[in-house]
Amino acid sequence: AQSVTQLGSHVSVSEGALVLLRCNYSSSVPPYLFWYVQYPNQGLQLLLKYTTGATLVKGINGFEAEFKKSETSFHLTKPSAHMSDAAEYFCAVSYGGATNKLIFGTGTLLAVQP
Amino acid sequence: NAGVTQTPKFQVLKTGQSMTLQCAQDMNHNSMYWYRQDPGMGLRLIYYSASEGTTDKGEVPNGYNVSRLNKREFSLRLESAAPSQTSVYFCASVGQGAQFYGYTFGSGTRLTVV
Repeated sequence: AQSVTQLGSHVSVSEGALVLLRCNYSSSVPPYLFWYVQYPNQGLQLLLKYTTGATLVKGINGFEAEFKKSETSFHLTKPSAHMSDAAEYFCAVSYGGATNKLIFGTGTLLAVQP
Repeated sequence: NAGVTQTPKFQVLKTGQSMTLQCAQDMNHNSMYWYRQDPGMGLRLIYYSASEGTTDKGEVPNGYNVSRLNKREFSLRLESAAPSQTSVYFCASVGQGAQFYGYTFGSGTRLTVV
């Protein structure tokens, strides 16, 4: 079965430090790839997505992710963390087709220390 | 406002009670989904409807039923609620080819079964 793995359920960084959240998918067929962010007691907000074309994708709030087919990865990065980035981040994949099901990873809770 | 509307936002049920979670979208999307979110487990797919008139089981369908009432509405029913169904429920939708634009999520229903 297709799956998404997010390494590290909790990640803590200092304000101003690099943010790196890891995501790997299990499929030989490249999927559509998404990162969502969830702030406390709120719904899901799309950060960025990869469908086709350029493998380096820029999203909102200074985040970006790079699709690496050879590594089946789609890691999320931000050069300099801000306190407002503290949230839970979900990687998700879809293979399109008739069902368009979106499969989520288990999430990474990002803490930003002052 | 265009988007996905879920009702209610909060609900407390006693074990054995029934209830229906409502979801409606006004974006003319073909596909709709119900997820549950539990700590450390990400979002898991309960049921989905790839198009009007069809429904299929997702990863965790036991204890739930769904109805795709029309293209706009997709409801989730708990016939006999159990404490294990305490969770946050999200409805989502996506149009044909709209994976390029991401999936749209409702704001969630926080359900507690006591």
